[in-house]
Amino acid sequence: GAGVSQSPRYKVAKRGQDVALRCDPISGHVSLFWYQQALGQGPEFLTYFQNEAQLDKSGLPSDRFFAERPEGSVSTLKIQRTQQEDSAVYLCASSLRIGNEQFFGPGTRLTVL
Amino acid sequence: AQKVTQAQTEISVVEKEDVTLDCVYETRDTTYYLFWYKQPPSGELVFLIRRNSFDEQNEISGRYSWNFQKSTSSFNFTITASQVVDSAVYFCALSFDQTGANNLFFGTGTRLTVIP
Repeated sequence: GAGVSQSPRYKVAKRGQDVALRCDPISGHVSLFWYQQALGQGPEFLTYFQNEAQLDKSGLPSDRFFAERPEGSVSTLKIQRTQQEDSAVYLCASSLRIGNEQFFGPGTRLTVL
Repeated sequence: AQKVTQAQTEISVVEKEDVTLDCVYETRDTTYYLFWYKQPPSGELVFLIRRNSFDEQNEISGRYSWNFQKSTSSFNFTITASQVVDSAVYFCALSFDQTGANNLFFGTGTRLTVIP
């Protein structure tokens, strides 16, 4: 497809489980971002990749959160030992280069019970 | 510190009315970018516009127009002759011209409901 895709669209996890969220950016887009959007709030930055390099992970809320983009295209956000406060929509965005507009995927809604 | 304020939490208008969504930002950087995104009920953020800090020229795109005023640190968005399909949450966002980091700082959004 032409846009950013994310899978799964919905994920329900029991507290303590590990989850992995996938993002397929637009082909050729160098920059990839992950955001977390809590209910009724704007998205908040988690981490940023330029190609395969993770240049900024200042927004990751704890060391339970880990992201990778090993070949500079697909990215995975992993959350270990999920907690209820991790429940949110996780959005992935890509842009052609630094400073350009970011195109967002549909998000993964994570619910931790 | 970087901050984006959208003071209007929710707005309701009747179809065909004009509506303006306010956005005020704070930054110490001289070079920055401002954005508006639309988030319909489906949840996917849709890019609407990007402006850089050196271009204060207002822009019109169909029924949409944007008013950028650096003197008041505002980047307001007007929809003319609103339609039901305009119902969504609208986010204003800010980013910076820095190598290695261009994440967006979002406001809390304004939920627009257009009543038929």
